Amino acid sequence: AQSVSQHNHHVILSEAASLELGCNYSYGGTVNLFWYVQYPGQHLQLLLKYFSGDPLVKGIKGFEAEFIKSKFSFNLRKPSVQWSDTAEYFCAVNPAGTASKLTFGTGTRLQVTL
Amino acid sequence: GAGVSQSPSNKVTEKGKDVELRCDPISGHTALYWYRQSLGQGLEFLIYFQGNSAPDKSGLPSDRFSAERTGGSVSTLTIQRTQQEDSAVYLCASSYGQGTWELFFGEGSRLTVL
Repeated sequence: AQSVSQHNHHVILSEAASLELGCNYSYGGTVNLFWYVQYPGQHLQLLLKYFSGDPLVKGIKGFEAEFIKSKFSFNLRKPSVQWSDTAEYFCAVNPAGTASKLTFGTGTRLQVTL
Repeated sequence: GAGVSQSPSNKVTEKGKDVELRCDPISGHTALYWYRQSLGQGLEFLIYFQGNSAPDKSGLPSDRFSAERTGGSVSTLTIQRTQQEDSAVYLCASSYGQGTWELFFGEGSRLTVL
């Protein structure tokens, strides 16, 4: 069974700092990769996704993620964070061509200070 | 409705009681998922519906847990003889189809078992 690791559990950054959140997965085959975000008091929503093609994926609000197949990684990045980026971020994977079930990481809580 | 609706938003129950959690997905979404989020844990997959059938119920933790979906729409997750370890936020999500479609999450039902 596949698994997802998010090694950063809690990250604190000042506004305008750069962000990189790690995500590694264990699965030998082709995968679909996702980042979901949960802002305080809100429901989970999709930030970006990778299915195939260009391994650098751009999402909403200036976020991007890079799929590095050799490292089984899908790290999330943003060049300059804002206070409004304070949220919990979840990486998720599902094997390509299978039904729905996403396997999620344990999440990274990002706190951006003014 | 415009989004995935879950009820109740908060449920406190005594150990040994049965509880029912309801999910109303986005209209037209054929796929429906239940996840559980415990403190410090990621999202744990419970069950997936495509229409009214559940091709993957591998995540249900015990036979105290069951779920059904009727009319290709509303789903109910039932937990019998609740235990304290069942305390968690139960999240429902729906999607247009299986696999690579974006999941739209509800705000969750927080269950506390005393």
